[in-house]
Amino acid sequence: EVHLLESGGGLVQPGGSQRLSCAASGFTFSSYAMTWVRQAPGKGLEWVSGISDSGGDTYYADSVKGRFTISRDNSKNTLYMQMNSLRAEDTAVYYCAKRDCTGGVCYFQYWGQGTLVTVSS
Amino acid sequence: SYELTQPPSVSVSPGQTASITCSGDKLGNKYSCWYQQKPGQSPVLVIYQDSKRPSGIPERFSGANSGNTATLTISGTQAMDEADYYCQAWDSSSVVFGGGTKLTVL
Repeated sequence: EVHLLESGGGLVQPGGSQRLSCAASGFTFSSYAMTWVRQAPGKGLEWVSGISDSGGDTYYADSVKGRFTISRDNSKNTLYMQMNSLRAEDTAVYYCAKRDCTGGVCYFQYWGQGTLVTVSS
Repeated sequence: SYELTQPPSVSVSPGQTASITCSGDKLGNKYSCWYQQKPGQSPVLVIYQDSKRPSGIPERFSGANSGNTATLTISGTQAMDEADYYCQAWDSSSVVFGGGTKLTVL
């Protein structure tokens, strides 16, 4: 059974840093691209970043480019998001999700439970 | 950047058919997905590749995509279907979500 467990959320001051982790189990982690999606309180889903199965390719939303860094450690079955220069508008629940593809068409069937990051002084 | 537009809310009576639209420029040339999210829960994939249902998703959920509009249809809507629904597509290597539609069953 696929399981994704995020951790690392909490209260951080504006301008501060935070690192999120997503521990994966139940599948061959190194064979799948992964992504981070966030949801501000009372708002919709916003894609944040994606990473290829090897970690060699990374992608970011314009809203976080230059401030957030996605990475993975396939030996530890763990996905990371290093978040720097945090702003109040980064306050959200952050979800990690596994990218599945069928015939070249990709989607996110498995999601973690999310971890809340609150940026406030 | 690519945008997907959904109606903020849709209401439906129990047992009736609910339709939720998602509009984007030439969306029919891309593949769409739909996610259901209930309060306090993580999103659940209900439709992928425009019209396919993952294992465990009831047959009353169906999808279509043509022209500029993707549509999620819930036939025989049940109270348990009350939730937020998000469409999603790909814009090159970036993921795009619609703003979400709150489905109310009343």
